[in-house]
Amino acid sequence: DGGITQSPKYLFRKEGQNVTLSCEQNLNHDAMYWYRQDPGQGLRLIYYSQIVNDFQKGDIAEGYSVSREKKESFPLTVTSAQKNPTAFYLCASSMHDSNQPQHFGDGTRLSIL
Amino acid sequence: SQQGEEDPQALSIQEGENATMNCSYKTSINNLQWYRQNSGRGLVHLILIRSNEREKHSGRLRVTLDTSKKSSSLLITASRAADTASYFCATEHYKLSFGAGTTVTVRA
Repeated sequence: DGGITQSPKYLFRKEGQNVTLSCEQNLNHDAMYWYRQDPGQGLRLIYYSQIVNDFQKGDIAEGYSVSREKKESFPLTVTSAQKNPTAFYLCASSMHDSNQPQHFGDGTRLSIL
Repeated sequence: SQQGEEDPQALSIQEGENATMNCSYKTSINNLQWYRQNSGRGLVHLILIRSNEREKHSGRLRVTLDTSKKSSSLLITASRAADTASYFCATEHYKLSFGAGTTVTVRA
């Protein structure tokens, strides 16, 4: 079955700790995205990558970092510099062409201990 | 930046009734997309309508787009309990920008 897998489903972060959220896709999509969703709000773009070894900041990149070493994988690190990390994080992928829908994983819920 | 704005914020209907929600946006777009999100899950793509299209159908879903008014509507006909979810519009212009969503509750 083709799709996007995010892990873990729930994650807890201690003060001063960096945590990494995993996102893997087997859809052979070129583009991958990370979004943050806060309660009652829409999605805000953190980072996106259109090809391997290249990525761009989205609207709220401060306190986050990413890598894109493989086409299938786009991990997100929430650093200690992100002072309000509690949120639902969603990873998505799409074909690189315009007018293509995005396919989403089932999210990771991050909370502070 | 959040470009699309859905209206209403919440909607409660009886099973079998139609549900209509609207989306307004501010700038020019390549396309407008509608997504559904069940509680605690990821988003599922429903329909993509390009800027040169006016109406699109998919099963019980009907989407309209009026670029002169910068608005779109999503109609769900003959609603079912399984349609209970949040619905988001997203506008694409270089990147996808999501609204805050409409929460739809379908009562049995």
